[in-house]
Amino acid sequence: QSALTQPASVSGSPGQSITISCTGTSSDVGGYNYVSWYQQHPGKAPKFMIYDVSKRPSGVSNRFSGSKSGNTASLTISGLQAEDEADYYCSSYTSSSTLVFGGGTKLTVL
Amino acid sequence: QVQLQESGPGLLKPSETLSLTCAVSGYSISSGYYWGWIRQPPGKGLEWIGTIYHSGSTSYNPSLKSRVTISVGTSNNQFSLKLTSVTAADTAVYFCARRYFDSSGYYPDAFDIWGQGTMVTVSS
Repeated sequence: QSALTQPASVSGSPGQSITISCTGTSSDVGGYNYVSWYQQHPGKAPKFMIYDVSKRPSGVSNRFSGSKSGNTASLTISGLQAEDEADYYCSSYTSSSTLVFGGGTKLTVL
Repeated sequence: QVQLQESGPGLLKPSETLSLTCAVSGYSISSGYYWGWIRQPPGKGLEWIGTIYHSGSTSYNPSLKSRVTISVGTSNNQFSLKLTSVTAADTAVYFCARRYFDSSGYYPDAFDIWGQGTMVTVSS
């Protein structure tokens, strides 16, 4: 299975909104509403942010939202804050009943 | 509060078998949930290794399936990862994690609780 495609980096200024894309195929992202997103700060374990494309687990700020169109899922962070600077990873269920991650996106808050 | 903690050798030689354990506290594995292993090579992205249900059913990454075994040890409330014939490409931080349970009564394909990770280096 091939990793999902994410941009290597995105950036934004405090208060702005940014969007990170996650592109797969009809066998993963496009075929199921089972995309999740994680935030990872350097040297830390990933933090669970979004599941089932757009659902937020308890405790996650509503500044984080998810969506999907076709084979591409997106994570949007609104009202960007300094602490949002981190790596972000998407993942998706696949038609082989496995899980595949994206390559990760480094978010820089300018 | 559920916590996970990985343990195992930090240095292996090529062709050896990697064996890691994830100790779970705050919850009895035999009661439910899916449990998984994910790894991250230095400076690279996350890679799903496999997942096990508390009853013992497993699913593995096809690229690793021939070398991977994940098992549950309910008597000591931990689950384990074995990866045979390791090479330098298996050098990574290995995380154990619990699969999320939605209050509607199903398990989304997502991990909500993670261990801190343990670095495993394969080098001669």
